[in-house]
Amino acid sequence: DAGVTQSPTHLIKTRGQQVTLRCSPKSGHDTVSWYQQALGQGPQFIFQYYEEEERQRGNFPDRFSGHQFPNYSSELNVNALLLGDSALYLCASSLDPSGHSDTQYFGPGTRLTVL
Amino acid sequence: AQTVTQSQPEMSVQEAETVTLSCTYDTSENNYYLFWYKQPPSRQMILVIRQEAYKQQNATENRFSVNFQKAAKSFSLKISDSQLGDTAMYFCAFSMEYGNKLVFGAGTILRVKS
Repeated sequence: DAGVTQSPTHLIKTRGQQVTLRCSPKSGHDTVSWYQQALGQGPQFIFQYYEEEERQRGNFPDRFSGHQFPNYSSELNVNALLLGDSALYLCASSLDPSGHSDTQYFGPGTRLTVL
Repeated sequence: AQTVTQSQPEMSVQEAETVTLSCTYDTSENNYYLFWYKQPPSRQMILVIRQEAYKQQNATENRFSVNFQKAAKSFSLKISDSQLGDTAMYFCAFSMEYGNKLVFGAGTILRVKS
């Protein structure tokens, strides 16, 4: 049973560029959430996708956008990168019966460095 | 808004000993979920244990158990017979009954010494 996978593992970009991170959920899961984890801190919720729609959003600017595909995989896009966007980006998946919270399982993360 | 506080930035424990990590949270909700996640240096976030707020019985998973005090809004993790592989950052997290957004604490670094 494949767990949550993310690509790429590491990424280096320069300020002002755009980046796309990818996530495939655990088999059988239909909900994908994205988190940003700055060094030495706890993860912060960015947004959540369910049925190809953004269902919830955290306190992140519009530069952060996402997408969910019919196969439930998801992308996180960040435009106009800032130095402060350097972080570990975590994807988590869950099975979401009628919006009822379920345990989230995390991928290994993508380490983004902005120079 | 919900908040989660972990007041111990770092903890150390000898192999085979027992250690308790503290977590407090703030919410006006009555039904919710609490989690402990472990993040080793490999950075994969791994679920350790989950507690439903409506359950009075404390959750247990092998060497890991929690002390859930709903009135005090406290949710501590006890690790028995600590092993070197338990060395990691431990995060306490909160989720409302619906919506599935996790709110994390700042984490506690646990070092198990041989």
